[in-house]
Amino acid sequence: GEDVEQSLFLSVREGDSSVINCTYTDSSSTYLYWYKQEPGAGLQLLTYIFSNMDMKQDQRLTVLLNKKDKHLSLRIADTQTGDSAIYFCAELAGNTGKLIFGQGTTLQVKP
Amino acid sequence: NAGVTQTPKFRVLKTGQSMTLLCAQDMNHEYMYWYRQDPGMGLRLIHYSVGEGTTAKGEVPDGYNVSRLKKQNFLLGLESAAPSQTSVYFCASKIAGGASEAFFGQGTRLTVV
Repeated sequence: GEDVEQSLFLSVREGDSSVINCTYTDSSSTYLYWYKQEPGAGLQLLTYIFSNMDMKQDQRLTVLLNKKDKHLSLRIADTQTGDSAIYFCAELAGNTGKLIFGQGTTLQVKP
Repeated sequence: NAGVTQTPKFRVLKTGQSMTLLCAQDMNHEYMYWYRQDPGMGLRLIHYSVGEGTTAKGEVPDGYNVSRLKKQNFLLGLESAAPSQTSVYFCASKIAGGASEAFFGQGTRLTVV
């Protein structure tokens, strides 16, 4: 079945780069996503990547996809205190419409 | 423009009671989802629907039932609540296809005592 795994916590200093990693198991995943959740709120989409792409860049965000290893990463350049949140990796499983999330990585940004 | 609205926002139930959580979206989305969020467990998919009149099981469907009688509404039912169902429940909707965002409601905090 589908499974998405993330490390639970990452701490960085303001101005550094943050790299959040994710692995998934479903080889038929068509799209992979990164969502952000701030305290007490729902999730908001940060970016997504189609499964036939290796990289996508969007301002401070860079997504890398290694389809062979089923590994996805999100790099945040020049991390700010406002980036402190929980980041979720998600996959759209095949053509079923099933959307599976990982456990979420809590990013702590220290001044 | 309401987006995704969940009702209620908070609820306390006694063990064995039943309740229905309502999710309503006004964006004409085909896909709708119910998740539960627990510390350290992330979002786990309970049930989902890819269209009016259709539902499917997610990762943790036991103890829950759903219905999608109207395209804009997705109902999550707990027939006999258990303390293990204490959680924050999120509903989401999206258009069919991958290159689109899933929009989330603000969550329902449910406590079963």
